[in-house]
Amino acid sequence: NAGVMQNPRHLVRRRGQEARLRCSPMKGHSHVYWYRQLPEEGLKFMVYLQKENIIDESGMPKERFSAEFPKEGPSILRIQQVVRGDSAAYFCASSPEGLAHNEQFFGPGTRLTVL
Amino acid sequence: GQNIDQPTEMTATEGAIVQINCTYQTSGFNGLFWYQQHAGEAPTFLSYNVLDGLEEKGRFSSFLSRSKGYSYLLLKELQMKDSASYLCAVRDRDDSWGKLQFGAGTQVVVTP
Repeated sequence: NAGVMQNPRHLVRRRGQEARLRCSPMKGHSHVYWYRQLPEEGLKFMVYLQKENIIDESGMPKERFSAEFPKEGPSILRIQQVVRGDSAAYFCASSPEGLAHNEQFFGPGTRLTVL
Repeated sequence: GQNIDQPTEMTATEGAIVQINCTYQTSGFNGLFWYQQHAGEAPTFLSYNVLDGLEEKGRFSSFLSRSKGYSYLLLKELQMKDSASYLCAVRDRDDSWGKLQFGAGTQVVVTP
């Protein structure tokens, strides 16, 4: 049973370009969460999605950032017109439907570097 | 607002015990999680507490006091591989399956 998969693992972009980060949740999981981690800082929640629905995007910047989790395929976190401050590790986590105690399983992350 | 505090760094010797404290102030409470994160890797789940008391799982134990907004993670018989960052995370009452609020993490350094 494969874990949460993210790609690419490393992404380099120049200022103004677009970054697309992909996340495939664990098999059977319908909840996806995106977190951002800056160096020496904790994980900051960005967005929570279920299939075809954004449940909570309270942690995502209003501009340039968007996320989707289509019926088929991976969840995508899209950052348009990247700036140097977007450089961070972006982690995706998934959990199954069920009880509130269900843990979130994290993927290996995508490390975005903006030049 | 939300506030989750834990020490920045702790150092202990191999074979010893270390206790990592976490205090939280959140608008609601629906569980506290501890994760371990090695440098450059994904966080991995260690423990979950939603009721007061101690949960033991091998060399790791986690304690919760909801009235005090306090938890600790206890690592016993420390091994070199336990050198990592330990993240405390709280789930708000209104987010049954929702987001986790993370502390900044405690870097544990295990020395020979």
